[in-house]
Amino acid sequence: GQNIDQPTEMTATEGAIVQINCTYQTSGFNGLFWYQQHAGEAPTFLSYNVLDGLEEKGRFSSFLSRSKGYSYLLLKELQMKDSASYLCAKSSGGSTLGRLYFGRGTQLTVWP
Amino acid sequence: EAGVAQSPRYKIIEKRQSVAFWCNPISGHATLYWYQQILGQGPKLLIQFQNNGVVDDSQLPKDRFSAERLKGVDSTLKIQPAKLEDSAVYLCASSLGKGETVYNEQFFGPGTRLTVL
Repeated sequence: GQNIDQPTEMTATEGAIVQINCTYQTSGFNGLFWYQQHAGEAPTFLSYNVLDGLEEKGRFSSFLSRSKGYSYLLLKELQMKDSASYLCAKSSGGSTLGRLYFGRGTQLTVWP
Repeated sequence: EAGVAQSPRYKIIEKRQSVAFWCNPISGHATLYWYQQILGQGPKLLIQFQNNGVVDDSQLPKDRFSAERLKGVDSTLKIQPAKLEDSAVYLCASSLGKGETVYNEQFFGPGTRLTVL
């Protein structure tokens, strides 16, 4: 397996900052994706990291450390609409280039 | 730009029956994926096509599941016969699949929610 591990649930209040961590098996790594999935809907792309460091996109940022097999998604100025499941996915290389291995997802609940 | 289309959106069948799902990817996308997402879990890849060829079907239960993409555009996924544990959302995704892209962002369809009774 790819040992993609992320917390099952998190809660936070509106306006706060939350960090969702993800660890993965470092072998066969070709990039790390974060997707957002609202209940009953398809996953939508949030971010992609292939090099170490922080990628910032408005209220959302994603960080990657390839040597540690670690990534996090940082959500700032939380809004009620951010309540969703956040999926960490590792992209593979080699003969299965582009294949995504997903974690179980972190269910984030934002309270008013 | 039209997104990934899937039908039907919902399907309820009894165990041992057959069912088929259809997917039409984004125009020009060479790579098509079928995922199974069981409630409370992340999507699990069942099969990946590059144009009309299979790239990876290592996680596809081939005794009951089959998929095809005959003309390299739309695709069908079939389950025959269905089991209770097949109850899940079946997601189709597509990507450009070009080697020169920085990354292969996958775009997902709305999914088909299958309930097997």
